[in-house]
Amino acid sequence: KAGVTQTPRYLIKTRGQQVTLSCSPISGHRSVSWYQQTPGQGLQFLFEYFSETQRNKGNFPGRFSGRQFSNSRSEMNVSTLELGDSALYLCASSLGMGNEQFFGPGTRLTVL
Amino acid sequence: SQELEQSPQSLIVQEGKNLTINCTSSKTLYGLYWYKQKYGEGLIFLMMLQKGGEEKSHEKITAKLDEKKQQSSLHITASQPSHAGIYLCGADRSNSGYALNFGKGTSLLVTP
Repeated sequence: KAGVTQTPRYLIKTRGQQVTLSCSPISGHRSVSWYQQTPGQGLQFLFEYFSETQRNKGNFPGRFSGRQFSNSRSEMNVSTLELGDSALYLCASSLGMGNEQFFGPGTRLTVL
Repeated sequence: SQELEQSPQSLIVQEGKNLTINCTSSKTLYGLYWYKQKYGEGLIFLMMLQKGGEEKSHEKITAKLDEKKQQSSLHITASQPSHAGIYLCGADRSNSGYALNFGKGTSLLVTP
C-alpha cells in the first residue's frame, strides 16, 4: 500500500499571499489530520477531517482552513500568510479510533 | 489543554548503551503514541499504548504506560546509530484517536 503523500514538498511564498497544501491518505483511511511543526512550538494539531466533515480543531486562527473530498483527499489552506507561518506541515491518516496515525513526509513552507 | 513534557530534551549516548526517554502528561492519558522523526521528515510510528501497565516491544525498543503516574517511558536497549533521531510522544486530546497533542521531542544522537 502506498503511504500518505503530500504535495508540494517545498513551497516559498511571500507575506500576504495564500497557499494550498494537499494530502492523499493511505487507501481506505477516512480520517485525515493536519499538524504544524515549528522549532519553537513543536508539533501542534491543526484540524481533523472524517468523511468530509471537520471533527476536531486546534487552537489556530481562522486563516487556517481545510477541507476533505469524497475520496478522502484533503487540502489545507492558509490565507494572508505571515512570517510565523513558516513551518513543516504534516498530514496524517488513520483507519479510525484506536488505530495509529500514519504521517506523510510533510510540506516545508517558507514565508518571506 | 493537555501538556506533554518529555525528558531529557536531548541525549548523546555511545553505541551499545541503553537509554530511557520519559513522557509525562498533565492530564489523564487515553492513549499514548510514540513516534520517531528524522530531521525535517515525517513521523514514523513506533508504538501505541492504551491501557495502564501496558508494555510493548519492537526490536530493541520497549515502551510502557503508567496510567496512575500519567507517564510513559521509551527504553532502547543496546543503541545503534540507526536509532538516532527525534522521539516524540503524542497523547489523544479527546479520546477520539484522531487529534494528538505532542511533546517537544527528545533528540537522540548515538556515537560510535
